[in-house]
Amino acid sequence: GDSVTQMEGPVTLSEEAFLTINCTYTATGYPSLFWYVQYPGEGLQLLLKATKADDKGSNKGFEATYRKETTSFHLEKGSVQVSDSAVYFCALIPGDNAGNMLTFGGGTRLMVKP
Amino acid sequence: GAGVSQTPSNKVTEKGKYVELRCDPISGHTALYWYRQSLGQGPEFLIYFQGTGAADDSGLPNDRFFAVRPEGSVSTLKIQRTERGDSAVYLCASSLKTGVRAFFGQGTRLTVV
Repeated sequence: GDSVTQMEGPVTLSEEAFLTINCTYTATGYPSLFWYVQYPGEGLQLLLKATKADDKGSNKGFEATYRKETTSFHLEKGSVQVSDSAVYFCALIPGDNAGNMLTFGGGTRLMVKP
Repeated sequence: GAGVSQTPSNKVTEKGKYVELRCDPISGHTALYWYRQSLGQGPEFLIYFQGTGAADDSGLPNDRFFAVRPEGSVSTLKIQRTERGDSAVYLCASSLKTGVRAFFGQGTRLTVV
């Protein structure tokens, strides 16, 4: 079945450090790929998405590129801030999913220290 | 309302009891989803409504779980004979229609003691 695997956390960084959170997937067809973020005390929010191979999603300084050859969608940010501390979830919707239900990875907690 | 609203935000119940969790989607959103998030894990799909009908309930873990959406707006997730393993955060999401961005509520944290 479809699945998403992401690096386990927590990831602890100092402010202004470079961030990478790895995400790989298994899916039939051509899935759409997403990163969601969950800030403390808040609901899940869509951070960025990519719907086809080689697309780059970007938002709030975060980027991820859809790599079909490596079935990956790694999240990157050049300079993290304390306010980026949250749990990040990689997710997919399979290409043949009529209902658009999301399959999530296990989440990666990011802690940014001043 | 401005976003997806879920009530209650927290629910503690005794093993074996019946519980109902409510989701108020964004007004006008026809698609509604329920997910379950166990501690330290990502959300897992439970059931999806398009309008009033359950279009896909393949994620419901067993027949103790049931959900309704009688008027195509508010949805209720019902759990019978709760077990300690049902303890999790139950998330609801809605979208204007299938295929466009879904918005999540803050979830109901269910604890079965």
